[in-house]
Amino acid sequence: DAKTTQPTSMDCAEGRAANLPCNHSTISGNEYVYWYRQIHSQGPQYIIHGLKNNETNEMASLIITEDRKSSTLILPHATLRDTAVYYCIAGQNFVFGPGTRLSVLP
Amino acid sequence: GAVVSQHPSWVICKSGTSVKIECRSLDFQATTMFWYRQFPKQSLMLMATSNEGSKATYEQGVEKDKFLINHASLTLSTLTVTSAHPEDSSFYICSAGVPGLYGYTFGSGTRLTVV
Repeated sequence: DAKTTQPTSMDCAEGRAANLPCNHSTISGNEYVYWYRQIHSQGPQYIIHGLKNNETNEMASLIITEDRKSSTLILPHATLRDTAVYYCIAGQNFVFGPGTRLSVLP
Repeated sequence: GAVVSQHPSWVICKSGTSVKIECRSLDFQATTMFWYRQFPKQSLMLMATSNEGSKATYEQGVEKDKFLINHASLTLSTLTVTSAHPEDSSFYICSAGVPGLYGYTFGSGTRLTVV
């Protein structure tokens, strides 16, 4: 699995877009990028995943660079309920890094 | 959507006893299940990977005789913490899915307290 690097924490104003970056420079050609989030004392919640194309669903958008060495998760209109730890995972073995603690501020 | 049920959600046990945690995929068949533990304010730590019908693969430093994993069917995996001690107290989380398909669905976790 590719090692991932994310900022430790980020703040975002309520109603604004939250852009969470992830570096996965050692990712292999057939490894997907997955994004999950975890709210305190709950199991992680799936957000989105992709291989090389940008993806969008009802929760978020995923932008993957052309060289696939990094990606950005975009929450288009952050709400207070989006406050959580966000994890980027690259590969099949689902090893979690420290993630990014996103705080959405009123 | 895919649902994973984890049971129990919390358990308190006496030191020296064993505790079994169940992880079920309710509406899909999972060839692979992962088991994690999580300490307060820390990330999830992968303990083992369980593939249906074969022995689990444990991460370095995880005692396979202490954390027994069984994945006998495509919808059920169990983690048994044997001879539990207070230092085994933690939040245990499972996930289930099919490699390379739609990602993995996580259970809601089991909080184990050993007294």
